[in-house]
Amino acid sequence: DGGITQSPKYLFRKEGQNVTLSCEQNLNHDAMYWYRQDPGQGLRLIYYSQIVNDFQKGDIAEGYSVSREKKESFPLTVTSAQKNPTAFYLCASSLSGGAFYFNEQFFGPGTRLTVL
Amino acid sequence: GQQLNQSPQSMFIQEGEDVSMNCTSSSIFNTWLWYKQDPGEGPVLLIALYKAGELTSNGRLTAQFGITRKDSFLNISASIPSDVGIYFCAGQFGNQFYFGTGTSLTVIP
Repeated sequence: DGGITQSPKYLFRKEGQNVTLSCEQNLNHDAMYWYRQDPGQGLRLIYYSQIVNDFQKGDIAEGYSVSREKKESFPLTVTSAQKNPTAFYLCASSLSGGAFYFNEQFFGPGTRLTVL
Repeated sequence: GQQLNQSPQSMFIQEGEDVSMNCTSSSIFNTWLWYKQDPGEGPVLLIALYKAGELTSNGRLTAQFGITRKDSFLNISASIPSDVGIYFCAGQFGNQFYFGTGTSLTVIP
């Protein structure tokens, strides 16, 4: 089955620690995204990548870092610089195309991060 | 980034009733998407719309791509308890996706 996997489902971390969230897709999509979702709020874009070894900051990139060494993988690191990291994190992917390309985005199951 | 205007914010309906929600934007989009999210899970794509004026159905769900390309609506007919969840709209232009704030649907048996 093609899809997006995120691990772990639940993650706990102590203040001051960095933590890495995993995201893998086997949809052969070029573009991958990380979103943050807080209770009762919409999705906010953290980082996105349109191609391997390239990524761009989204609206709330401060305190986060990413890498894109393989097409299938787009891990997100939540650093100790992120002031309020407790949230639900969603990874997504899509085909990549030009400005007038029709496109759909698919999501993983999410990782809930809690900072203790 | 741009956030789409989605309404209503929440709905409480009786089982069997029809539901309607909509999204508006100040920008045009190539694609309108509708998702459903259950608590603690990722959003699941319900319907994708590609053409202005397009009306698409998926079972009891019907969605339309507004003629101006700046709006879309989703209708759910004959609601059932498993329709409970949060519904998000999204607009796509290039590699960018913009999301509504969600409509929380509660179905009362």
